Amino acid sequence: GENVEQHPSTLSVQEGDSAVIKCTYSDSASNYFPWYKQELGKRPQLIIDIRSNVGEKKDQRIAVTLNKTAKHFSLHITETQPEDSAVYFCAAYILGGGGADGLTFGKGTHLIIQP
Amino acid sequence: EPEVTQTPSHQVTQMGQEVILRCVPISNHLYFYWYRQILGQKVEFLVSFYNNEISEKSEIFDDQFSVERPDGSNFTLKIRSTKLEDSAMYFCASEFSAGNTIYFGEGSWLTVV
Repeated sequence: GENVEQHPSTLSVQEGDSAVIKCTYSDSASNYFPWYKQELGKRPQLIIDIRSNVGEKKDQRIAVTLNKTAKHFSLHITETQPEDSAVYFCAAYILGGGGADGLTFGKGTHLIIQP
Repeated sequence: EPEVTQTPSHQVTQMGQEVILRCVPISNHLYFYWYRQILGQKVEFLVSFYNNEISEKSEIFDDQFSVERPDGSNFTLKIRSTKLEDSAMYFCASEFSAGNTIYFGEGSWLTVV
């Protein structure tokens, strides 16, 4: 089955600086890569996603890049703000897999924005 | 915006007792999921459900677990004989079709004592 590795487990950055979180996946059939933000005690919320036919996607301060050959994808947050503090999970998924397998999540990155 | 709703938000149960966690997926969604998150750990896939049957299940989803969609709106997760290690947040999720955004519920926090 799919295995998703995520690094780092904790990331502390100064407010206004950029943050980068990296994930690798093992199953080359995975073709959909969402990123979720989870605040303490709350549900994961989708913040951005990318499909394997695209190398980069941007939404305001958030961007995701995908390297299919290397099987890795990254989340980039620019101009970080205190409200960006949360745990971020990457995930991999096979669209059109037929079996409707669930998302395989990484272990999460606790992002801390220092004022 | 439509939401996936879950009840109860928090349940405490004694080891060995049966627990039923309830979910109401978004109304026009066709794929349903249960995930589990042990405190401080990653979200783990338990089971997916489509067309009134289980599509896929993980190795966590053993014989003590079952899912049901009894009335076309509710989607339930039953844990037959709870163990201490079942203590976790259980998230229900739904999706309109395979390949669309998966929406998560707020979660049901289960504590087994």
